[in-house]
Amino acid sequence: GAVVSQHPSWVICKSGTSVKIECRSLDFQATTMFWYRQFPKQSLMLMATSNEGSKATYEQGVEKDKFLINHASLTLSTLTVTSAHPEDSSFYICSAMRTRYEQYFGPGTRLTVT
Amino acid sequence: AQTVTQSQPEMSVQEAETVTLSCTYDTSESDYYLFWYKQPPSRQMILVIRQEAYKQQNATENRFSVNFQKAAKSFSLKISDSQLGDAAMYFCAYRSPRGANSKLTFGKGITLSVRP
Repeated sequence: GAVVSQHPSWVICKSGTSVKIECRSLDFQATTMFWYRQFPKQSLMLMATSNEGSKATYEQGVEKDKFLINHASLTLSTLTVTSAHPEDSSFYICSAMRTRYEQYFGPGTRLTVT
Repeated sequence: AQTVTQSQPEMSVQEAETVTLSCTYDTSESDYYLFWYKQPPSRQMILVIRQEAYKQQNATENRFSVNFQKAAKSFSLKISDSQLGDAAMYFCAYRSPRGANSKLTFGKGITLSVRP
């Protein structure tokens, strides 16, 4: 299968600061990438759909000014959590769609806000 | 809107035995894609198996197979010869073929434990 990388795998930041998470499709071009949030023992919650060269589409209830998504190229999407607070602590997963039949996931990023 | 239901939160299987994980979905579309993903303790999502709705033949990948019942809107996963490495959370997912940014709809997941 195809490979999607995510960096960093774990980040700790202080309340009020911003943190950027990178998602890369390593061996294919992805016009569409997705960002999810996951709490322990729960399903993946879609935050937004990212398209190369255009604005991301956010799911209802997701603050677009807090979770900035940029899909700068066909292999890179970034999620920036701005002015992070402890309640933003979570596991964030990116995913890249190669075709409708193929969607590959990054290994996830554990964010801890102190 | 499509929904995916995994009604069993947890299941357990003896090593080398067979287990079936159930999944039902609701849709008004006639063509779509169905998936089973595995999430082990590492939390890396891994595609286990996929099925296109227009294909009547059930998909099979080594020890993993599905029982796709389109009329009943059921998509169960059978794991044969269960191994300790199969212990994970399993998610059933649905995707519509329509729309440029068609997203995956996930079920709540089921935690599978494997007894040695």
